[in-house]
Amino acid sequence: GAGVSQSPSNKVTEKGKDVELRCDPISGHTALYWYRQRLGQGLEFLIYFQGNSAPDKSGLPSDRFSAERTGESVSTLTIQRTQQEDSAVYLCASSPGQGGEQYFGPGTRLTVT
Amino acid sequence: GENVEQHPSTLSVQEGDSAVIKCTYSDSASNYFPWYKQELGKRPQLIIDIRSNVGEKKDQRIAVTLNKTAKHFSLHITETQPEDSAVYFCAASRDDKIIFGKGTRLHILP
Repeated sequence: GAGVSQSPSNKVTEKGKDVELRCDPISGHTALYWYRQRLGQGLEFLIYFQGNSAPDKSGLPSDRFSAERTGESVSTLTIQRTQQEDSAVYLCASSPGQGGEQYFGPGTRLTVT
Repeated sequence: GENVEQHPSTLSVQEGDSAVIKCTYSDSASNYFPWYKQELGKRPQLIIDIRSNVGEKKDQRIAVTLNKTAKHFSLHITETQPEDSAVYFCAASRDDKIIFGKGTRLHILP
């Protein structure tokens, strides 16, 4: 079956612009996660959704970052007024919920120039 | 909140030898401990996981041990092969939130 997909795969933007990253989870997966991975670094938790509710937003680095999810489907991560330090790969993962294997998407590589 | 520490950050072993990666966690309520492997330029993939009601789990050359009292868990890879070269991440989970360690870059030397 189809895995987690993310779009775009690559995004180059100018400093100060807004960007929107999209994640399509595996159908039926109630939990959805966003992570940031800087080059050669670990997985930095940003936010997760259970259904369309976000119980934990503690990982969002600043108020320039926001995310939403429609039902148990698509999620978008929005970064406003991008800064160079936002450059990273943004990974989305979904899971059936209640603690279990996460299935990762291919990521969106964001470059802020 | 949960904090996961992972050691070492880099590990080099001769092909055929064993590799051990260790993690500690802070939240005693964490009950699910997965390990992910990330090859260069690829997405992380689950290789093995363990729940808090189990002390050890093995899958072919890979094993994970969990010490709930000490709040630490370890990944053991035996008879290492070149394709084991990758970055390995441990994680600890309570309910739906999963916190990852910073990763261990494993090099298998010929």
